[in-house]
Amino acid sequence: AQSVTQPDIHITVSEGASLELRCNYSYGATPYLFWYVQSPGQGLQLLLKYFSGDTLVQGIKGFEAEFKRSQSSFNLRKPSVHWSDAAEYFCAVVITGGGNKLTFGTGTQLKVEL
Amino acid sequence: GAGVSQTPSNKVTEKGKYVELRCDPISGHTALYWYRQSLGQGPEFLIYFQGTGAADDSGLPNDRFFAVRPEGSVSTLKIQRTERGDSAVYLCASSRTGTGEDTQYFGPGTRLTVL
Repeated sequence: AQSVTQPDIHITVSEGASLELRCNYSYGATPYLFWYVQSPGQGLQLLLKYFSGDTLVQGIKGFEAEFKRSQSSFNLRKPSVHWSDAAEYFCAVVITGGGNKLTFGTGTQLKVEL
Repeated sequence: GAGVSQTPSNKVTEKGKYVELRCDPISGHTALYWYRQSLGQGPEFLIYFQGTGAADDSGLPNDRFFAVRPEGSVSTLKIQRTERGDSAVYLCASSRTGTGEDTQYFGPGTRLTVL
């Protein structure tokens, strides 16, 4: 079945530590790929997106993501996490040729320990 | 400039009642989307408008759900005969053109609770 999978429901990291959030997709063709962040009481905010070209994408707030076609993955990374990064992170796709609706994963809740 | 706004921020209603949820998109954005986010889940697509017309309503769960965008700007999501299972956060997003690459900007959502 076509899907977006975020295998980690919760992740806890110490402030200053590095972070990697995993995302895998299962579609016939490479979709457009997105990472959104959702903080309590705030709307979803786009961190970065990938359509084609360079497989390492830079986003806002110091985040980056790497597209790996062979692994059908689009993992989000940050070298040094700040306490303000605590939030829920969603990977999402738009299926090329399938309209423009976003299909989201179930999210990863990030907790940052001081 | 102003982002996407949604009203009300919270709505509590009783089972069987009718509710309307409003979305004000970013000025000039032709595309508008509704999503529904249940507790512990990612948002799920409901409907997409391009201008005044619903270009894709494949995510509406049943005929109790209906949405309009009569002037190509503000949209209203309407739910008839609400059920407890309709309780969720309803998110609205808009984008400039509606292409797949276009960034969708989300509002803060309306939390609907059906008692």
